[in-house]
Amino acid sequence: DAGVTQSPTHLIKTRGQQVTLRCSPKSGHDTVSWYQQALGQGPQFIFQYYEEEERQRGNFPDRFSGHQFPNYSSELNVNALLLGDSALYLCASRVTGEEYGYTFGSGTRLTVV
Amino acid sequence: GNSVTQMEGPVTLSEEAFLTINCTYTATGYPSLFWYVQYPGEGLQLLLKATKADDKGSNKGFEATYRKETTSFHLEKGSVQVSDSAVYFCALKALRGGGNKLTFGTGTQLKVEL
Repeated sequence: DAGVTQSPTHLIKTRGQQVTLRCSPKSGHDTVSWYQQALGQGPQFIFQYYEEEERQRGNFPDRFSGHQFPNYSSELNVNALLLGDSALYLCASRVTGEEYGYTFGSGTRLTVV
Repeated sequence: GNSVTQMEGPVTLSEEAFLTINCTYTATGYPSLFWYVQYPGEGLQLLLKATKADDKGSNKGFEATYRKETTSFHLEKGSVQVSDSAVYFCALKALRGGGNKLTFGTGTQLKVEL
């Protein structure tokens, strides 16, 4: 049973560019959350999607947006990239209603130069 | 707002030594508390959890007790192994005002040497 799958694993972008990160949740999971983990820091909550809608959002600017598809997979989009957006982006999925059953992916390492 | 404070690392121990990683929290009401572990190049894995005061979470020899009076959730293991080397994150999920998000500490790196 595959866990949470994220792609790509690494990428390098230039300041001002746009990036899309992808996440396939664990089989049977329908809620997807995204976290940003800067080097040496703990993960910070970006937003959560359920039923193809953003349900909760952390303290991130509008440059960060997302989408959830009918098959529960999700994308994270970041526009106008800044050097400070360099981080590990983690996707976590769970079954809605199961409060503690988060499963995390291995993340996408984004480097902005 | 909700927050988690962990002891800074890195923590370097010899194999079979006793481990304690301190974690304290600030939250409205009584949150659920977690310890996650992150091995190099991997995502976060849930190590243990406690959902109410005085609960003890345990897994793979690790333990942590939810202490409401001291707002703490310290991680302990009686005898660490080299394979325990990783980064450990304390986290909370608030019952009120936090929705479904996890709030993490900054992480504590553990290095276990032979």
